[in-house]
Amino acid sequence: DADVTQTPRNRITKTGKRIMLECSQTKGHDRMYWYRQDPGLGLRLIYYSFDVKDINKGEISDGYSVSRQAQAKFSLSLESAIPNQTALYFCATSESEQPYGYTFGSGTRLTVV
Amino acid sequence: SQQGEEDPQALSIQEGENATMNCSYKTSINNLQWYRQNSGRGLVHLILIRSNEREKHSGRLRVTLDTSKKSSSLLITASRAADTASYFCATGANSKLTFGKGITLSVRP
Repeated sequence: DADVTQTPRNRITKTGKRIMLECSQTKGHDRMYWYRQDPGLGLRLIYYSFDVKDINKGEISDGYSVSRQAQAKFSLSLESAIPNQTALYFCATSESEQPYGYTFGSGTRLTVV
Repeated sequence: SQQGEEDPQALSIQEGENATMNCSYKTSINNLQWYRQNSGRGLVHLILIRSNEREKHSGRLRVTLDTSKKSSSLLITASRAADTASYFCATGANSKLTFGKGITLSVRP
């Protein structure tokens, strides 16, 4: 099993729909992150969480929300999806000890039509 | 906003040659990391260098950091076709990583 698992792998949804992307990890890491990747723009940070009770906005949090249900689970929601949220979404984890390398999931390819 | 900026945007070399990729950044960092991404897959951590280090090696990888010039370079020696991927530098500050836009490396067999 992968250390960081993202579900679904692919999703097509309609404009205005609510959608949740899920991330679970077996690394035992406290820190979890959500990034989106767009062609030519690299990865941009949406939200991050340093522990279950800590949630922080990233660079591009508008239109997104998150929930840290447990140390191992961090989900990303699009309350009302719009076409410019079409992207590849990655969840990542890291240890609290700094500095740290991130462990990434395989990504969720989301298309909003 | 992107912190690291990689150069070149794309690089094509012959198998066996060395590949050098550069990253420049704008603000103070406490570490810099390089990642690899195979097409459409998740990123894989390659190497981390702290701000008080100047050079680090890992297998065929060599990374340098010049904090006075706010730049880093990643050298892949004796490249292989399997090294074909996108490479990202990421700068660490305030307990977060900020990624550049990436370099596409193609290694021709």
